[in-house]
Amino acid sequence: GNSVTQMEGPVTLSEEAFLTINCTYTATGYPSLFWYVQYPGEGLQLLLKATKADDKGSNKGFEATYRKETTSFHLEKGSVQVSDSAVYFCALLANQAGTALIFGKGTTLSVSS
Amino acid sequence: GAVVSQHPSRVICKSGTSVKIECRSLDFQATTMFWYRQFPKQSLMLMATSNEGSKATYEQGVEKDKFLINHASLTLSTLTVTSAHPEDSSFYICSARDELDTQYFGPGTRLTVL
Repeated sequence: GNSVTQMEGPVTLSEEAFLTINCTYTATGYPSLFWYVQYPGEGLQLLLKATKADDKGSNKGFEATYRKETTSFHLEKGSVQVSDSAVYFCALLANQAGTALIFGKGTTLSVSS
Repeated sequence: GAVVSQHPSRVICKSGTSVKIECRSLDFQATTMFWYRQFPKQSLMLMATSNEGSKATYEQGVEKDKFLINHASLTLSTLTVTSAHPEDSSFYICSARDELDTQYFGPGTRLTVL
């Protein structure tokens, strides 16, 4: 079946450090891939997405590239800020009508000044 | 962007009572809505898929008689936790899908059963 695996946290970084959160997936066909962010006490927000191989999603300085050959969608940011502290979820949407997002377990990022 | 609301945001109830949670898409019509449950420090687990005008499809292991879902209109889905018990305490999140297949999430409802 379809699944998402992301690196376990917590990830603790200093401000302006480089961030990578690994995400790999298992799916039949060609799913769409997403990164969602959940700030403390809030609901999930879509951060970025990619719908086909080699697409790069980007938003707020975050990037992720859909790599079909390695079934990966790693999240990166060149210089993190304290305000980026949150839980990040990698997710996939199978290319079938009526399906729901399948989430990874989430990675907690904590950035200190 | 699209907005999805949930009400209430937080509810505390006694064991044995029923609790209704509403999920509304505020600026778009959603033929499909989803209900998730999130345990502390864990991911979102899909509970059921709710299609307007038809019965919900429940994931394996989710009791349909305990978690009643109604999707009576294109902008409203409700989840009723019947005869709630402490083990039902959790964070319940709904999402609504628009015509471009993008899912928007509500802010969640924190249920605490005493």
